[in-house]
Amino acid sequence: DSGVTQTPKHLITATGQRVTLRCSPRSGDLSVYWYQQSLDQGLQFLIQYYNGEERAKGNILERFSAQQFPDLHSELNLSSLELGDSALYFCASSPAPGGVEETQYFGPGTRLLVL
Amino acid sequence: AQSVTQLGSHVSVSEGALVLLRCNYSSSVPPYLFWYVQYPNQGLQLLLKYTTGATLVKGINGFEAEFKKSETSFHLTKPSAHMSDAAEYFCAVKSGNTGKLIFGQGTTLQVKP
Repeated sequence: DSGVTQTPKHLITATGQRVTLRCSPRSGDLSVYWYQQSLDQGLQFLIQYYNGEERAKGNILERFSAQQFPDLHSELNLSSLELGDSALYFCASSPAPGGVEETQYFGPGTRLLVL
Repeated sequence: AQSVTQLGSHVSVSEGALVLLRCNYSSSVPPYLFWYVQYPNQGLQLLLKYTTGATLVKGINGFEAEFKKSETSFHLTKPSAHMSDAAEYFCAVKSGNTGKLIFGQGTTLQVKP
């Protein structure tokens, strides 16, 4: 158990809908990262937040957005969902802004299926 | 730009045999390299990491990896495979100072009795 929690574990929805994925980092960690794992794209970095502020952005679609709240939990919002958004979405956390020696601890993931 | 290539999407070994999972990286700056393991229906767990210092890195569950700058490689090995090692393994390089991890495509390790 990494100490990172993600809810829900599974999510089934329809095209065009909007969903929110939630992540609680390990106690004391200030950085939260979101990754998408799909069969065709593999594991891809989406976005990082550090202490409430966006720190780095990856291949995140404009239909996707994220935020980190004062209590440091983070939410990833996916809207106008398409079939291709079906994937496993991971959240990871680390203590600081993401120094090169830092380890990221991953949650169990949220499996999203868009029908 | 940094990238990671894992050679072989599937590797099959017999229980007790040597495990060798290959990872090559591309980086214009000193790389910081990681191996993660993903068991079925679970998240990623850190096996080991190389940042600076000793090039032979020991990790959990008997795994180790050697950073070879001249070969731009960071292969993962374990002397004797166990059935419980069956999982997917990801090599990753850290990008800059943002913490962004760039992952390889993953290698599925099958361990046969």
